[in-house]
Amino acid sequence: KQEVTQIPAALSVPEGENLVLNCSFTDSAIYNLQWFRQDPGKGLTSLLLIQSSQREQTSGRLNASLDKSSGRSTLYIAASQPGDSATYLCAVKTGANSKLTFGKGITLSVRP
Amino acid sequence: DGGITQSPKYLFRKEGQNVTLSCEQNLNHDAMYWYRQDPGQGLRLIYYSQIVNDFQKGDIAEGYSVSREKKESFPLTVTSAQKNPTAFYLCASSTTGDLSPLHFGNGTRLTVT
Repeated sequence: KQEVTQIPAALSVPEGENLVLNCSFTDSAIYNLQWFRQDPGKGLTSLLLIQSSQREQTSGRLNASLDKSSGRSTLYIAASQPGDSATYLCAVKTGANSKLTFGKGITLSVRP
Repeated sequence: DGGITQSPKYLFRKEGQNVTLSCEQNLNHDAMYWYRQDPGQGLRLIYYSQIVNDFQKGDIAEGYSVSREKKESFPLTVTSAQKNPTAFYLCASSTTGDLSPLHFGNGTRLTVT
């Protein structure tokens, strides 16, 4: 059974810092991995999707990497801003028609 | 703009009553999903449907029911058999294929007293 872990559960950083959010998964035979953002009381917004054959994806200040062999993904946020404060969740899909398995998320607070 | 609409945003019910949560999408997605989110628990899959008139149980389907009569709609009924129905419910949809990210609605917060 696939398990997805995100540690720490919460993180507070000063504005302007570059930061890395970690995601680990137990079964390396994944189909794709997605990173989401969730604002309080809202739904999830897809940030980046990495296929199993890819090593990384970039969108603006965000870069997500994938290392299947070690069961890890990282989300890199450059020059963090207070508007980046949210909960970030990663989710893994283990097959074309399988469901996503979610981590519990990392709640990020960027202090002005 | 295309998207997923969940209604209502907040829902209050008395214990023992069934309640139906609405989910409508205009993204022309084949697959639709219902998740439940509780503090400290992450998202758990309740039901999903990959095609009209077909759906499968997720990890925590007991006490819930769904229907998929139209491609655009995937309502979730929380029955009186659900032991702990108070939660934040999220509907999502996607196309098929490995490049298809999941799109979410803004959720319905259900409180049962």
